[in-house]
Amino acid sequence: QKEVEQNSGPLSVPEGAIASLNCTYSDRGSQSFFWYRQYSGKSPELIMSIYSNGDKEDGRFTAQLNKASQYVSLLIRDSQPSDSATYLCAVNRGNNDMRFGAGTRLTVKP
Amino acid sequence: EAGVAQSPRYKIIEKRQSVAFWCNPISGHATLYWYQQILGQGPKLLIQFQNNGVVDDSQLPKDRFSAERLKGVDSTLKIQPAKLEDSAVYLCASSFSGGDTEAFFGQGTRLTVV
Repeated sequence: QKEVEQNSGPLSVPEGAIASLNCTYSDRGSQSFFWYRQYSGKSPELIMSIYSNGDKEDGRFTAQLNKASQYVSLLIRDSQPSDSATYLCAVNRGNNDMRFGAGTRLTVKP
Repeated sequence: EAGVAQSPRYKIIEKRQSVAFWCNPISGHATLYWYQQILGQGPKLLIQFQNNGVVDDSQLPKDRFSAERLKGVDSTLKIQPAKLEDSAVYLCASSFSGGDTEAFFGQGTRLTVV
């Protein structure tokens, strides 16, 4: 079982729609979770972090965490073409041991 | 605040040659990571340092890869000899040590082995 699993996509949504990205992780002791966005040819940049069960909203982005199910998700509301990128789920397993999923490629069509 | 600095940005070498990458983390960040990202894949952790000590190098191919972090600040990653499958982007990241915090990435070094 991979440490962090994501659907590789590609995921295509029309402009203005909600994009839903999912991630599961294997280490039940993990405590902190992150979503990074990576544009083609660029390095990953942090867009959301979440530490507690439930939802965390930041502008058009909402991260959801369910530790019992070992599941993290990212919702992007009112998707824009500029949101087209690969989204990486990252899990900190403790002691700053940071592991990444393979990423989900999102395309937002005008 | 200055970000994570990496050099060079690009490198093309022939197989069996050696290459070295350099990273300067964000000031005050005790944790430093080297990741390998092959095209179309997520970053794969090669090695994690805490200050100048190695925390995890279980996925580092030690027969050809080596890394060091002198004085707990700058780090170098070396490949010798390089193979075609080493073609990838090598990302350096750092994080503040003191909790489960996010990692900040440098711009990466794109290595092409021909």
